[in-house]
Amino acid sequence: EDKVVQSPLSLVVHEGDTVTLNCSYEVTNFRSLLWYKQEKKAPTFLFMLTSSGIEKKSGRLSSILDKKELSSILNITATQTGDSAIYLCAGGSNYKLTFGKGTLLTVNP
Amino acid sequence: EAQVTQNPRYLITVTGKKLTVTCSQNMNHEYMSWYRQDPGLGLRQIYYSMNVEVTDKGDVPEGYKVSRKEKRNFPLILESPSPNQTSLYFCASSLGAGRSYEQYFGPGTRLTVT
Repeated sequence: EDKVVQSPLSLVVHEGDTVTLNCSYEVTNFRSLLWYKQEKKAPTFLFMLTSSGIEKKSGRLSSILDKKELSSILNITATQTGDSAIYLCAGGSNYKLTFGKGTLLTVNP
Repeated sequence: EAQVTQNPRYLITVTGKKLTVTCSQNMNHEYMSWYRQDPGLGLRQIYYSMNVEVTDKGDVPEGYKVSRKEKRNFPLILESPSPNQTSLYFCASSLGAGRSYEQYFGPGTRLTVT
């Protein structure tokens, strides 16, 4: 059975801090690793990492895939209160996505 | 506007009363999927569909049915809902399986079964 584990489950930081969220995966026929941000409702897409694209960056957010360690990290620098959300990691195989339980990030002013 | 729509957004029903949650996408996506989200358990896949008339079970399919008669629609059917199906449900779609895995999520349907 495919498995994705995220850590920590929750995290409280102050504005301006840098955070690192972790994700490890065991996915049969692994094809891709995805990060989503979930605020009030539906998850919104952040990054997709594959064997041909193991590092992505967008503004203050960046993510790296470590294929050897079967893991990924999501970095957020200079955090803002608007970064407060649940961050979801998912491992993609040929046919499905398996999600981790998410990391609840709270950024205090 | 490219989007995934779900209806209804909120539903309170009673045990055993059949219901359908509709899902529609306007992006000509081949792959569609249903998830449920529960506190402490995260997002879990119920069913997915690779294309029209092709569906398969996800991780938690018990108590649910789906159909994919048209590319744009993927309804979720609860034949006899039970209280343990109280949850937040998301429909999602993507261009295809494999590398094309950027899934777009609908707004969610909050279902309460009493």
